[in-house]
Amino acid sequence: ELKVEQNPLFLSMQEGKNYTIYCNYSTTSDRLYWYRQDPGKSLESLFVLLSNGAVKQEGRLMASLDTKARLSTLHITAAVHDLSATYFCAVGWDTDKLIFGTGTRLQVFP
Amino acid sequence: DTEVTQTPKHLVMGMTNKKSLKCEQHMGHRAMYWYKQKAKKPPELMFVYSYEKLSINESVPSRFSPECPNSSLLNLHLHALQPEDSALYLCASSHHGGRSYEQYFGPGTRLTVT
Repeated sequence: ELKVEQNPLFLSMQEGKNYTIYCNYSTTSDRLYWYRQDPGKSLESLFVLLSNGAVKQEGRLMASLDTKARLSTLHITAAVHDLSATYFCAVGWDTDKLIFGTGTRLQVFP
Repeated sequence: DTEVTQTPKHLVMGMTNKKSLKCEQHMGHRAMYWYKQKAKKPPELMFVYSYEKLSINESVPSRFSPECPNSSLLNLHLHALQPEDSALYLCASSHHGGRSYEQYFGPGTRLTVT
């Protein structure tokens, strides 16, 4: 059974600081996704990572994938309040399945 | 059109009621999904339809009955639900085949069972 773990579960960070969210998964997969969810809202796709060593950046967020280590990271640079949300990684499994990580609730304060 | 729509946005139902959730997409996607999300938890896969056929049922109780009338529509019929079924129900769609299988999510239906 595929397990996906994220850490930290909760992250409170000051504006302007940098931090990294980690996503570890237990079984080989070559598809890794990052989603953002605002309270009471749906999931917004941030990144799709499809190969070992893939790195994608959008604004203050950068995601990477190491399939050999079964690890993906989401790096936040110079955090701003608008980034406050819950971030989920999800691992592609068995063609059609997505197995979601536990989620990281990010709170950015002044 | 890159949107997945869901109706209703909110639904309150009693344990003896029968109701349906609806999902629609016009992106030509041939895979559609139902997820259940409890508060402060990740989404959990319930059902997958590929080419209008049910391909995955994640051991969901029979009080939840999915239906895919055509390639653009997905329904979830609800009957005799329990209070613990209260949750956000998310629909998603994706291309079937190809490389990314990226799933696009609808806004969700907030269901409360009283």
